[in-house]
Amino acid sequence: GAGVSQSPSNKVTEKGKDVELRCDPISGHTALYWYRQSLGQGLEFLIYFQGNSAPDKSGLPSDRFSAERTGGSVSTLTIQRTQQEDSAVYLCASSLARSGGADEQFFGPGTRLTVL
Amino acid sequence: GENVEQHPSTLSVQEGDSAVIKCTYSDSASNYFPWYKQELGKRPQLIIDIRSNVGEKKDQRIAVTLNKTAKHFSLHITETQPEDSAVYFCAASEDNQGGKLIFGQGTELSVKP
Repeated sequence: GAGVSQSPSNKVTEKGKDVELRCDPISGHTALYWYRQSLGQGLEFLIYFQGNSAPDKSGLPSDRFSAERTGGSVSTLTIQRTQQEDSAVYLCASSLARSGGADEQFFGPGTRLTVL
Repeated sequence: GENVEQHPSTLSVQEGDSAVIKCTYSDSASNYFPWYKQELGKRPQLIIDIRSNVGEKKDQRIAVTLNKTAKHFSLHITETQPEDSAVYFCAASEDNQGGKLIFGQGTELSVKP
């Protein structure tokens, strides 16, 4: 079946502009996660959605970052007033989250964001 | 919150040798420990995982060990092959935290033929 997809694959923007990144999780996966990977670095947790529960936003680096998940499926990560330090690969992952807990996460190909 | 430390940051081995990557975690409530392999320009892919009720798990040439008391876990790759060359990430997660993964900094493994 289809895996996690993300769009766009690449995004170049100017400092101060807003950007929207999209994630389509695997059908039937109730949990959706956003991570950020800076060049040569590890993956940094940003935000997590599970079913109809309130999202866990504890990893968002500033109030310029927000995300929503509509209809329990597609998610959009929005970065307002982008800064050069926002340049990174943004990865989305989804999981069956059996019993609502930790489970294998399947990653999308990522969106490479470059802020000039 | 959880903090995961991973060592070494780079590892170079000869084909056929074994490779070991070690991680420590800080939150004793963490109970799920996956390992991901990321090839250059590609997405991370799960290669093996272990839960806290198990001390060791093996899948062909790959094994993971967990020491809950010491709060560390390790990835062991035997009979390494050039296609094992990649960046490997360990992570820790807790069911009560919804399974969000806290990753180590990564180990770049190079297997020389």
